[in-house]
Amino acid sequence: QKEVEQNSGPLSVPEGAIASLNCTYSDRGSQSFFWYRQYSGKSPELIMSIYSNGDKEDGRFTAQLNKASQYVSLLIRDSQPSDSATYLCAVKASGGSYIPTFGRGTSLIVHP
Amino acid sequence: KAGVTQTPRYLIKTRGQQVTLSCSPISGHRSVSWYQQTPGQGLQFLFEYFSETQRNKGNFPGRFSGRQFSNSRSEMNVSTLELGDSALYLCASSLAGDYQTQYFGPGTRLLVL
Repeated sequence: QKEVEQNSGPLSVPEGAIASLNCTYSDRGSQSFFWYRQYSGKSPELIMSIYSNGDKEDGRFTAQLNKASQYVSLLIRDSQPSDSATYLCAVKASGGSYIPTFGRGTSLIVHP
Repeated sequence: KAGVTQTPRYLIKTRGQQVTLSCSPISGHRSVSWYQQTPGQGLQFLFEYFSETQRNKGNFPGRFSGRQFSNSRSEMNVSTLELGDSALYLCASSLAGDYQTQYFGPGTRLLVL
């Protein structure tokens, strides 16, 4: 059973701080990693994807991947109250399968 | 360009009934995936259709089925509803099945009484 684990939170950070969200996965053959943001009552929205070890930056967001340790993280710099949402980590294995495995998400609260 | 649309947005059914949900992908997108989201299990993959063929299937019972039409619109059917089927059902479309470029619809919230 392929598993993707996330701390459910809530993770509470003050406005302007760095929010750090973590995700671990069990399938060592995983090749593609994604972070989705889901506001309450809304559908998930893709914010980052990463495929290689290291960091990938996009605006205030940085995804970090460490395949040896089987974890992927998302850093949000200069956190804003509008970043308050649930962040879902998703992992796709190799081999052409499009079946993704999602974590249950981490709730982030950015307070003014 | 219009986004992914799902109908209906809300649905209340009773145990034993069946339900059909509809998803219209973004124009030009040929892949449609269906997901079930519940507080207890999170977001779980149901199945993916591409060019009218089911290409991938998650670990759900046969009561859950789907199909895709020539215009890429997709329907999902759940027969003999159980209380545990209460969930948010999401569909996502992509151009050719590239998972990284999936766009989710607003979802259909199903309540089974």
